[in-house]
Amino acid sequence: DTGVSQDPRHKITKRGQNVTFRCDPISEHNRLYWYRQTLGQGPEFLTYFQNEAQLEKSRLLSDRFSAERPKGSFSTLEIQRTEQGDSAMYLCASSFEGIRWRHEQFFGPGTRLTVL
Amino acid sequence: EDKVVQSPLSLVVHEGDTVTLNCSYEVTNFRSLLWYKQEKKAPTFLFMLTSSGIEKKSGRLSSILDKKELFSILNITATQTGDSAVYLCAVEERYGGSQGNLIFGKGTKLSVKP
Repeated sequence: DTGVSQDPRHKITKRGQNVTFRCDPISEHNRLYWYRQTLGQGPEFLTYFQNEAQLEKSRLLSDRFSAERPKGSFSTLEIQRTEQGDSAMYLCASSFEGIRWRHEQFFGPGTRLTVL
Repeated sequence: EDKVVQSPLSLVVHEGDTVTLNCSYEVTNFRSLLWYKQEKKAPTFLFMLTSSGIEKKSGRLSSILDKKELFSILNITATQTGDSAVYLCAVEERYGGSQGNLIFGKGTKLSVKP
């Protein structure tokens, strides 16, 4: 257990439905990342936050995807009008980035999404 | 284009063998290279490398970075069945004000037979 939690761990939905995932990072971490991983591939970066500010979004993050981190603590990732191609493991990671020191990203257990 | 390339993609060895996993990268503004171990769950951190030629060790695992030739290796000595996993290499880029997101390779799947 790295201290990063994600909910739910598994989600099965029908195509066209909306889904929302939650990530709770390690409490003192100011950075939070979302990745997507499909079978046989390494994780692919989606977006990241520094505190509540969303600083970067990958080209993979289509208009159907939106992420928030309203109070700089937990984050949500919403996928609207899900498609079968959205089926993947969605991983959240957190880290601390400071002026004098930083440390690596710790990953949560992931949310496995299956779109039927 | 693949910015982080790992080889081999899969490897089968017997307990007690020593293995070397390779990671080459091509990024414009390198910040660090990280190795993760992934079993049937989220990746767990192994090493972060930022300087060339300095070996990092943790038990039977060690890793080194060559920033001139743009590669890193991960060595595992006296392998055990518990080392069976996918080993992921990731590079952290630095560009402009944004930094920190990781670019992962496809991973090397290591299977250690008893």
